[in-house]
Amino acid sequence: ETGVTQTPRHLVMGMTNKKSLKCEQHLGHNAMYWYKQSAKKPLELMFVYNFKEQTENNSVPSRFSPECPNSSHLFLHLHTLQPEDSALYLCASSQVSSGELFFGEGSRLTVL
Amino acid sequence: AQSVTQPDIHITVSEGASLELRCNYSYGATPYLFWYVQSPGQGLQLLLKYFSGDTLVQGIKGFEAEFKRSQSSFNLRKPSVHWSDAAEYFCAVGALRSGGSNYKLTFGKGTLLTVNP
Repeated sequence: ETGVTQTPRHLVMGMTNKKSLKCEQHLGHNAMYWYKQSAKKPLELMFVYNFKEQTENNSVPSRFSPECPNSSHLFLHLHTLQPEDSALYLCASSQVSSGELFFGEGSRLTVL
Repeated sequence: AQSVTQPDIHITVSEGASLELRCNYSYGATPYLFWYVQSPGQGLQLLLKYFSGDTLVQGIKGFEAEFKRSQSSFNLRKPSVHWSDAAEYFCAVGALRSGGSNYKLTFGKGTLLTVNP
């Protein structure tokens, strides 16, 4: 098992669809993160979870809804997205006290 | 608030040549600094990190970086580039969030490295 696994790797959805991205980490970490990576822009931190509790929401629109049922799993629920939401969504994990993030391979989202 | 500048959007080098990727940061206290690499279609992988101590840091894949406080820089170097080093490289600066829990990482926009045979 790789350290941080994201599914699906690719997703195409219409603006009225509802879909979810899944992230699972096998590293025993207690913090998980969602990042958005768009072309020509720095990585944008979306959400942070420590010990399953959300500790940061970086002014993310409500059409993105995170869920962290336990320290190993993180979801990003998507609904009524816009074409500008098309991007690579990266999940990462770490120990809470560590600055070293371990990233998954990302989920490439295309919104039509 | 911290910030990171990677002045070079795209660099092309020949295989076997030396490499230096520039990174400048802005942060009021002692920074925690990172270099990550992203190959096409992949997530980010940590190359090396600086927290304290020796200002010359060794990383994986033969990379090193030097922290220069006077220049607010943390440049990444490799003496001889291999074709497999072609990727995008991201510098990041980390600071403890208020409350002292996680580190908040701020990433640069990245430098795309092309390696010619």
